[in-house]
Amino acid sequence: DGGITQSPKYLFRKEGQNVTLSCEQNLNHDAMYWYRQDPGQGLRLIYYSQIVNDFQKGDIAEGYSVSREKKESFPLTVTSAQKNPTAFYLCASSDRGYGYTFGSGTRLTVV
Amino acid sequence: EDQVTQSPEALRLQEGESSSLNCSYTVSGLRGLFWYRQDPGKGPEFLFTLYSAGEEKEKERLKATLTKKESFLHITAPKPEDSATYLCAVPLDLRGYNKLIFGAGTRLAVHP
Repeated sequence: DGGITQSPKYLFRKEGQNVTLSCEQNLNHDAMYWYRQDPGQGLRLIYYSQIVNDFQKGDIAEGYSVSREKKESFPLTVTSAQKNPTAFYLCASSDRGYGYTFGSGTRLTVV
Repeated sequence: EDQVTQSPEALRLQEGESSSLNCSYTVSGLRGLFWYRQDPGKGPEFLFTLYSAGEEKEKERLKATLTKKESFLHITAPKPEDSATYLCAVPLDLRGYNKLIFGAGTRLAVHP
């Protein structure tokens, strides 16, 4: 079955550490997205990519970085510059003009 | 500013007690509206897309409607398994793709 796989499900980060969240899709979608979800807030767009080797900042890109070396993969790195990284991170993909298919999310906690 | 507001924030229903969730939006040139269901600790699951005012879509106990300024998700005779957070989103054009702007969601709890 086609879908989006995010890993790990849970991730713990120490102060000053960079961590990378994985996102893989086999839906053959061109566009991929990273959203952050905090309690009581709507999902906020971090980065998006519409084509391999190209990506754009979303609304809250500071402290995050991404790459898009393959159509199927869109990993997100949470850097030490992100001061409040504890959140639920969602990866999504879409075709042109359609809604999103989401992964199951990664919960990141700072310890 | 493009904005999506959902109400109420939380809703508690008895099994079989019908109700409606509201999603209001302020975007220019609406290109559609999406409803998703999200269970705790999981990613949102697609429910409906509505494209024009007056459109309605149904799935089991859920019916979504759209006007020029808001959308409603009607839940008829809900069951405990309908308990979840319901999210609505409107798309902004992103060079032919959609940038979804999400509301904060309505947490629905249905008790037996």
